[in-house]
Amino acid sequence: DAKTTQPTSMDCAEGRAANLPCNHSTISGNEYVYWYRQIHSQGPQYIIHGLKNNETNEMASLIITEDRKSSTLILPHATLRDTAVYYCMVSKTSYDKVIFGPGTSLSVIP
Amino acid sequence: DAGITQSPRHKVTETGTPVTLRCHQTENHRYMYWYRQDPGHGLRLIHYSYGVKDTDKGEVSDGYSVSRSKTEDFLLTLESATSSQTSVYFCAIKEGPGGSYEQYFGPGTRLTVT
Repeated sequence: DAKTTQPTSMDCAEGRAANLPCNHSTISGNEYVYWYRQIHSQGPQYIIHGLKNNETNEMASLIITEDRKSSTLILPHATLRDTAVYYCMVSKTSYDKVIFGPGTSLSVIP
Repeated sequence: DAGITQSPRHKVTETGTPVTLRCHQTENHRYMYWYRQDPGHGLRLIHYSYGVKDTDKGEVSDGYSVSRSKTEDFLLTLESATSSQTSVYFCAIKEGPGGSYEQYFGPGTRLTVT
């Protein structure tokens, strides 16, 4: 399974865009990039996923580089409620031993 | 909300006792997962299931067993609880072929082994 690396922590000013990077240099052709977040002690929450094209939904945008070795999750207007740990992971669409890395702790600052 | 419940939500038990955690889903999803989460380790996969009576090990399966006798329930059993199994346990489901592949997580069970 492809592994991911993310910065341990990041800060973002409220109202600004939060850009969270993820490296997945060993990703294989049939693996998708998924992003989840975990707010305090709640269960992780799905945000977005993509294969090779950029994706956008009501929560965030996902930018995947052309070589697919890295991606960036963008929260366009961060709010205090976006303070959470953000996990990047790669997974096939079949059942899979999904591996979560340690994630990035994002702090949105007033 | 993907219709996932976990029970109990909190449990304190003594070393050496058996413990069973239950994950229940109401939407007939094929894949179910058990994770544990500990400070400094993030989420680690214990076991997963890809159908009734079809299960496989994750990265930290020692000391745990699972069963899935019907689609809606996935049970995690600690045969003889140890202090190292004190953790927060999350269940997750994934829809599978023909549907979406993102996972949806339950609220978690906080287990303390004394």
